[in-house]
Amino acid sequence: EIVMTQSPATLSVSPGERATLSCRASQNVGTYLAWYQQIPGQAPRLLIYGASTRATGVPPRFSGSGSGTDFTLTINSLQSEDVAVYYCQHSKNWPRTFGQGTKVEIK
Amino acid sequence: EAQLLESGGSLVQPGGSLRLSCAASGFTFSGYAMSWVRQLPGKGLEWISVISGSGVYTFYADSVKGRFTISRDNSLNTLYLEMKTLRAEETAIYYCAKDVSFYPSGIANDGFDMWGQGTMVTVSS
Repeated sequence: EIVMTQSPATLSVSPGERATLSCRASQNVGTYLAWYQQIPGQAPRLLIYGASTRATGVPPRFSGSGSGTDFTLTINSLQSEDVAVYYCQHSKNWPRTFGQGTKVEIK
Repeated sequence: EAQLLESGGSLVQPGGSLRLSCAASGFTFSGYAMSWVRQLPGKGLEWISVISGSGVYTFYADSVKGRFTISRDNSLNTLYLEMKTLRAEETAIYYCAKDVSFYPSGIANDGFDMWGQGTMVTVSS
């Protein structure tokens, strides 16, 4: 089973500043990596798949990068509505494990 | 508008059984692999099972293998999860989720672009 490790656990960012979230896979997953946003009380929402492809309707301030074992989700110019927990998930093989999440807060 | 709507969650005793349903609408259901993902209270996400669009291929997390069965009825646009021998630690919100890519004959290597609102399963005596 591929283990996904996210850092940091919590990230406090001022409005308008950049947030950088990391995800590391225990094995090479190529670019089979997705990022999700979960606002409290809601279902997860797909932001990025294929490591860097934005899902339909996702604002361009969200971007993904990386390949192999190290990935980054960048939120440029953080907005109040971006307060959420963000999860990465690989889709290289089964099981499709998730990271433990990074909570993004407004400073 | 495309959507997924889960149902069937309830209170069940340890060792009991339950069947969850996920009704799909607004897209060609048979063309997409579908998964179940659960979230324990206040915790992260756990992928538990997937079924291909045709229903031919299924995969399970080790934690549920042999106890849970995923299935689908493409004529009814409905996904199911049959759960047996439930444990207290499986108390969670259960979500159904749709693959991004149209791939009727298999399962694509991408994410889940549509999620239901979730159904709560409580395993307790």
